[in-house]
Amino acid sequence: GENVEQHPSTLSVQEGDSAVIKCTYSDSASNYFPWYKQELGKGPQLIIDIRSNVGEKKDQRIAVTLNKTAKHFSLHITETQPEDSAVYFCAASIGGTASKLTFGTGTRLQVTL
Amino acid sequence: GAGVSQSPSNKVTEKGKDVELRCDPISGHTALYWYRQSLGQGLEFLIYFQGNSAPDKSGLPSDRFSAERTGGSVSTLTIQRTQQEDSAVYLCASSLVLYTDTQYFGPGTRLTVL
Repeated sequence: GENVEQHPSTLSVQEGDSAVIKCTYSDSASNYFPWYKQELGKGPQLIIDIRSNVGEKKDQRIAVTLNKTAKHFSLHITETQPEDSAVYFCAASIGGTASKLTFGTGTRLQVTL
Repeated sequence: GAGVSQSPSNKVTEKGKDVELRCDPISGHTALYWYRQSLGQGLEFLIYFQGNSAPDKSGLPSDRFSAERTGGSVSTLTIQRTQQEDSAVYLCASSLVLYTDTQYFGPGTRLTVL
């Protein structure tokens, strides 16, 4: 089955700096890669996603890049703010559908003042 | 509009008891998903529904776990004879359609088995 690895498990950055979280996946048929942000006591919230027909997608301070050849994708957050502090999960679809997402183990991002 | 809701938000039960967890998806969403999140861990896929049908139940951890969905809307996840290792946050998500569509998560039910 699909295996998704996520690094780092924790990340601390100063406010205003950039943060990068990386994920690799194993199933070459995967074609949908969402990123979720989970704040304490809440369910995960989709922040950005990318499909296999594009290599990069940007939404304000957040961007995601995808390298299908290497089977890895990354989340980039620029100009980090304290409210960006949360746990971030990457995910990949299994077998080309989005119905069964396999999640990474999460990255706890701490933005310090 | 209203998002995915789950009830109860917290459930404490004794080992061996049965529990029922409820999920109300976003109105009009045909697909519904259940996940389990253990403390400090990622999300473990359990089962999904397309309408009232669950084509793949292989993600359920054991035969003590079952789920149903009625009327293409509300879903219940039932855990029989709960064990301490069942303690986790159970998350429900829904999407408009099954394939390549965004999943919206509820706040989860925190289950504690004593």
